[in-house]
Amino acid sequence: EDQVTQSPEALRLQEGESSSLNCSYTVSGLRGLFWYRQDPGKGPEFLFTLYSAGEEKEKERLKATLTKKESFLHITAPKPEDSATYLCAVQGGSNYKLTFGKGTLLTVNP
Amino acid sequence: GAVVSQHPSWVICKSGTSVKIECRSLDFQATTMFWYRQFPKQSLMLMATSNEGSKATYEQGVEKDKFLINHASLTLSTLTVTSAHPEDSSFYICSAWDREGETQYFGPGTRLLVL
Repeated sequence: EDQVTQSPEALRLQEGESSSLNCSYTVSGLRGLFWYRQDPGKGPEFLFTLYSAGEEKEKERLKATLTKKESFLHITAPKPEDSATYLCAVQGGSNYKLTFGKGTLLTVNP
Repeated sequence: GAVVSQHPSWVICKSGTSVKIECRSLDFQATTMFWYRQFPKQSLMLMATSNEGSKATYEQGVEKDKFLINHASLTLSTLTVTSAHPEDSSFYICSAWDREGETQYFGPGTRLLVL
């Protein structure tokens, strides 16, 4: 059974204070690892898909990396508008189903 | 990115009534859509996988007769909560698999309150 564990559960940062969120996973035949951002009362917003170890993707202040066991979402010089819950999910096997972690609630204080 | 819409965005109904929620992929065709449920401060819980033209696949513990799913076209899936009760109150989110982009895109969610 695919499993995803995200840490920390919650993270408070000061504006400009860079940090990383962790996503550890076990999956049978990784097809993709996904990062989403979710604001309160809204559906998740797609950020990145990573397919193989060593892959990196960037978008504005966010950078996602992938190893065979975990993925990191690095946030550089965050701003208050980066405050949200960040969700990690894996897709394995032969179907399109995603297995989600519980998320990391990020709060960036001005 | 691709766009997925949901309607309605929120609904209040009386106990015992049925509620239908629509999920549409606006700019791509989706042979596979998913329905999730999310409780406050918790992660997404997959309820079922909806495949165009065939029966939905439900996750363990989800009542098929309670949560009816129809995926009649490549851009529309519907979830009907039958004989709704207060414990069905939740945030329901759909998603659609974009085969070209190899990504799952989510709708904005529907908040259901059963009185």
